[in-house]
Amino acid sequence: DTAVSQTPKYLVTQMGNDKSIKCEQNLGHDTMYWYKQDSKKFLKIMFSYNNKELIINETVPNRFSPKSPDKAHLNLHINSLELGDSAVYFCASSHFTGSGANVLTFGAGSRLTVL
Amino acid sequence: AQKVTQAQTEISVVEKEDVTLDCVYETRDTTYYLFWYKQPPSGELVFLIRRNSFDEQNEISGRYSWNFQKSTSSFNFTITASQVVDSAVYFCALSPRDDKIIFGKGTRLHILP
Repeated sequence: DTAVSQTPKYLVTQMGNDKSIKCEQNLGHDTMYWYKQDSKKFLKIMFSYNNKELIINETVPNRFSPKSPDKAHLNLHINSLELGDSAVYFCASSHFTGSGANVLTFGAGSRLTVL
Repeated sequence: AQKVTQAQTEISVVEKEDVTLDCVYETRDTTYYLFWYKQPPSGELVFLIRRNSFDEQNEISGRYSWNFQKSTSSFNFTITASQVVDSAVYFCALSPRDDKIIFGKGTRLHILP
């Protein structure tokens, strides 16, 4: 069983479209994250949810909207896609420690290509 | 400011050589955690080690070892007797108390047969 699963793995779409990426974890973790990895492999946190509550919201365009229906799921919806949104998006989960000790378990990534 | 610097963008070594990946961090927090993650060519990110700021003991796990020195704000990673399967991008990361984990830009390691 995959611990953190993301769908779809690949997504190719046109500029201006709206798309969603889904993430589910079966580890019993209470905290989930979205990270963006650009073409230079730079990993940057976008959002973090703890028990369905948004706790980290980095400087991300408001075209990106995360939604956490329960603590096992964290979806990412992107409106009006732009070329610069092309990247690999990683979902991750962890137990919340409040001390910085969180060990992340990552999904396999979703590669988004905007044409 | 919180920052992680991995100055080595890319390293190539021949199999069986030892290789050290450097990581230097900046933080004003007195309590923080440091991590290494591996991203093999398949793309997934895999946790390797976590260290807290109060534990400066070096750690060894098989061919992998980590050297944490607070005096130089460094957390270096050494692979002994490298193997082709060690080829990957390796990320050092810093997690201050607010849990905003900051990743370095990664070091791409090529192990040549």
